[in-house]
Amino acid sequence: DSGVTQTPKHLITATGQRVTLRCSPRSGDLSVYWYQQSLDQGLQFLIQYYNGEERAKGNILERFSAQQFPDLHSELNLSSLELGDSALYFCASSPSLAGDTDTQYFGPGTRLTVL
Amino acid sequence: DAKTTQPTSMDCAEGRAANLPCNHSTISGNEYVYWYRQIHSQGPQYIIHGLKNNETNEMASLIITEDRKSSTLILPHATLRDTAVYYCIAHSNSGYALNFGKGTSLLVTP
Repeated sequence: DSGVTQTPKHLITATGQRVTLRCSPRSGDLSVYWYQQSLDQGLQFLIQYYNGEERAKGNILERFSAQQFPDLHSELNLSSLELGDSALYFCASSPSLAGDTDTQYFGPGTRLTVL
Repeated sequence: DAKTTQPTSMDCAEGRAANLPCNHSTISGNEYVYWYRQIHSQGPQYIIHGLKNNETNEMASLIITEDRKSSTLILPHATLRDTAVYYCIAHSNSGYALNFGKGTSLLVTP
């Protein structure tokens, strides 16, 4: 158990819909990362938040957005869903303390299926 | 992050040591070598990391060559539950995202 929790575990929805994925980081971790893993793309970094602020963006579509709340949990919002958005979505967290190693710990993922 | 190169797949007999190589010839001085693994469809799991000294923990050992251009992850007594994709990542301690490549698919057989 990494200490990172994600809900829901599975999500099935239709094209054009909007969904929200939730992540609770390990206690004390300030950074939250979102990754997408589809069958043909491997693990792709989407976006990172640090202490409530967006810190880095990867291959995130404009239809996707995220935020990190004052209690440090994060939500990833996916809208106007397409079949190709079907994937595993992982959240990771890390301490991000200056001068310390910054190992990332991953949650169990949310499997999104768009029909 | 520096590019890493790993074999696509490897086999190992249960109970034997699994030695997974990684090449990172362009690694810079502030980049650590991290190893993660992903058991089918589960979240990636941190295994070990090191800068230049060899490291050991309860899961594995990491051997880094003196010139830091390559490393080997050693699972001393592989079990069937070690079947997974293993990712070697060269990563600075800057608190940014990990760059996962394709990794090595390790199959442990009875």
